[in-house]
Amino acid sequence: GENVEQHPSTLSVQEGDSAVIKCTYSDSASNYFPWYKQELGKRPQLIIDIRSNVGEKKDQRIAVTLNKTAKHFSLHITETQPEDSAVYFCAATDSWGKLQFGAGTQVVVTP
Amino acid sequence: NAGVTQTPKFQVLKTGQSMTLQCAQDMNHEYMSWYRQDPGMGLRLIHYSVGAGITDQGEVPNGYNVSRSTTEDFPLRLLSAAPSQTSVYFCASSQTNTVNEQFFGPGTRLTVL
Repeated sequence: GENVEQHPSTLSVQEGDSAVIKCTYSDSASNYFPWYKQELGKRPQLIIDIRSNVGEKKDQRIAVTLNKTAKHFSLHITETQPEDSAVYFCAATDSWGKLQFGAGTQVVVTP
Repeated sequence: NAGVTQTPKFQVLKTGQSMTLQCAQDMNHEYMSWYRQDPGMGLRLIHYSVGAGITDQGEVPNGYNVSRSTTEDFPLRLLSAAPSQTSVYFCASSQTNTVNEQFFGPGTRLTVL
């Protein structure tokens, strides 16, 4: 089945710097790659997603890139702000269309 | 729209007790699922349903049952609670299959003593 690995597990950045989280997946049939943000004690919420026919997608300070050949995708957050502090999860669909999540990255933005 | 709702928010059980976690959505979504979230392990799929009357197992189904008698409701039953089932449980729904945004409920924090 699908296996999604996410790195790093924790990421500390200075306010205003960029943050990058990387994920790899194993199932070449995967075609949908969402990213979720989870604040402490809250539910995960979708922040951006990308489909396999697109290499890059951007939404204000957030961007996601996908390399299907290498089976990896990344989340980029520019000009980080304290409210970006949260746990971020990547995910990928398996052959049956179900989502497999990475283990998560704790992002801490320090003023 | 209330979105995805879950009850209860918190629950403490003794080993061997049974209970049902409730999940409902008012978005007319076909696809619903249950995940458990444990530290350092992300979200793991327990059971899912692609429509009323249809359910299937996810990655970690043992010790849990589900049913989907209506489009709106997708309860998760713990048959005989064990300490290993201490976790945060999230219900989620999406319009059709999972190749769409999944909306999560607020979660249920379960402790099994």
